[in-house]
Amino acid sequence: EAGVAQSPRYKIIEKRQSVAFWCNPISGHATLYWYQQILGQGPKLLIQFQNNGVVDDSQLPKDRFSAERLKGVDSTLKIQPAKLEDSAVYLCASSLGVALETQYFGPGTRLLVL
Amino acid sequence: AQKVTQAQTEISVVEKEDVTLDCVYETRDTTYYLFWYKQPPSGELVFLIRRNSFDEQNEISGRYSWNFQKSTSSFNFTITASQVVDSAVYFCALSGPYNTDKLIFGTGTRLQVFP
Repeated sequence: EAGVAQSPRYKIIEKRQSVAFWCNPISGHATLYWYQQILGQGPKLLIQFQNNGVVDDSQLPKDRFSAERLKGVDSTLKIQPAKLEDSAVYLCASSLGVALETQYFGPGTRLLVL
Repeated sequence: AQKVTQAQTEISVVEKEDVTLDCVYETRDTTYYLFWYKQPPSGELVFLIRRNSFDEQNEISGRYSWNFQKSTSSFNFTITASQVVDSAVYFCALSGPYNTDKLIFGTGTRLQVFP
């Protein structure tokens, strides 16, 4: 079974530029999560989708971050404009979503904002 | 509020030593779930175990074992006869009982196993 796919794996941009990350969850997984992991910290949930609806985006900085999951499969996370403090690893995870299910993580996108 | 504390920032051991990673949690939920994830240098979080609050039996999987003690709100992880491939950051995490509950991670413990 294929795991969670993410691209790109690495991205370097200058502050005030825009960037987008893509995630393809495990086939059949209804729930998709985006996490931000700052160096030396545990992952922090940014947004959770159930199919193509948002379940929780309370920790998403909505003035600059946006995410969508059209058709309830792939998802994109966008930052516009980026700030220095956005430098982090952005992890995507998915779960079956029927009940509380284990989340499976992708390899992450490492973002460096200069 | 829910919280997970991993007091050990970094642990270094020599191969074949046993090592225990501590995890202490706080929650007001009576039903909750605890997890351990491994994050090797490649960056991907690898699921190791999930335990619900009603199951206090210790679990063993090969060289890995977990000790869940509700009385002390701890869910410790022991690696027996550590190997270099065990070198990684290990995260303990906590969630409430519902699918909409957030997964709350600790700050992680970096384990370095030297040959």
